[in-house]
Amino acid sequence: KQEVTQIPAALSVPEGENLVLNCSFTDSAIYNLQWFRQDPGKGLTSLLLIQSSQREQTSGRLNASLDKSSGRSTLYIAASQPGDSATYLCAVRPNTGNQFYFGTGTSLTVIP
Amino acid sequence: NAGVMQNPRHLVRRRGQEARLRCSPMKGHSHVYWYRQLPEEGLKFMVYLQKENIIDESGMPKERFSAEFPKEGPSILRIQQVVRGDSAAYFCASSTGQGQPQHFGDGTRLSIL
Repeated sequence: KQEVTQIPAALSVPEGENLVLNCSFTDSAIYNLQWFRQDPGKGLTSLLLIQSSQREQTSGRLNASLDKSSGRSTLYIAASQPGDSATYLCAVRPNTGNQFYFGTGTSLTVIP
Repeated sequence: NAGVMQNPRHLVRRRGQEARLRCSPMKGHSHVYWYRQLPEEGLKFMVYLQKENIIDESGMPKERFSAEFPKEGPSILRIQQVVRGDSAAYFCASSTGQGQPQHFGDGTRLSIL
């Protein structure tokens, strides 16, 4: 069974810093990996989707990488802003089955 | 340009009552997924449906829970005889197909008194 772990569980940085969020998964037989952000009391907003054949995806200040063989993905946020404060979730879809397996998230606080 | 719509946003039920959660997928999406987020836990998959068909219900509790996605209207997640442990946020996601990005609604927060 796929296990997804996100480290750290919480992170606090001053505004303007670049930061990296980590996601690891136990089974490398994945179809794709998706990063989401979740604001308090809200649903999930999709940030980036990386197919298993891809190494990275970029959107604005966000860059996500995927190393399938080592079971790792990172989300890089450049020049962090207070509006980036949220919980960031990593979700992995295996080659078989229809569900995403979610990590428990990293709670990010960007201090003005 | 509506996204995934879930209602109600908040639902309060007493133990033993029934809870019905509704999800309208994004326009053009025919695949619906339900997830549950228990306090202090990650999201857990419950069920995957296409119009009029349950494709994968491997994450659904064996009793009291059911889901449907009729030809017309929203997808419904139904919980019968609710218990305190059913208190959670229930999220619906939709996509255009398997392997495509899933877009999430804002969830229904279910509280059991």
